[in-house]
Amino acid sequence: GAGVSQSPRYKVAKRGQDVALRCDPISGHVSLFWYQQALGQGPEFLTYFQNEAQLDKSGLPSDRFFAERPEGSVSTLKIQRTQQEDSAVYLCASNSGRGNQETQYFGPGTRLLVL
Amino acid sequence: GIQVEQSPPDLILQEGANSTLRCNFSDSVNNLQWFHQNPWGQLINLFYIPSGTKQNGRLSATTVATERYSLLYISSSQTTDSGVYFCAADNFGNEKLTFGTGTRLTIIP
Repeated sequence: GAGVSQSPRYKVAKRGQDVALRCDPISGHVSLFWYQQALGQGPEFLTYFQNEAQLDKSGLPSDRFFAERPEGSVSTLKIQRTQQEDSAVYLCASNSGRGNQETQYFGPGTRLLVL
Repeated sequence: GIQVEQSPPDLILQEGANSTLRCNFSDSVNNLQWFHQNPWGQLINLFYIPSGTKQNGRLSATTVATERYSLLYISSSQTTDSGVYFCAADNFGNEKLTFGTGTRLTIIP
């Protein structure tokens, strides 16, 4: 596609509910990143994939957070047993992964509100 | 990891004024990007600029890698320039971007 797309754009969940957020990177992009942006803050790194391999998950805040990219294209970020502190915008980014210096292109984000 | 600091945190200007936003980083960078986050939350790429100077219309950016800072210049500000501007950087061998806390720019008509 023309850009990174994410769905849903908005999600309201009750505390304790599981949620799944989807990211469609730019077609052909090898690298995919997830970031979390709390209100009034800059985005913070969660995890990074190169093709289907999850190379860095150091930013995932707890074992309730899980990300996958089984076929090296679409990625899903899953949050189990959501808590109020999970409320944030979740941003996905991608780049071609073919160069040493690469611009990351961001999707519009999924705004998650946990009640 | 790398630390990224931005200043000023807030900037309020009259339409037509010029502005300079600063980004300091704590280590050598492989990637440095400037973004504008619009009111709908979309991060819009402005510049990819790990070193040197680039210009795009009324916007320009300069990164002095040896002194570990980058500047974003906005000339003849318009109300549509309002929003939050983020600087983000990554180290060599580490592709994740570390963002600053942003500069909130408000342009008053």
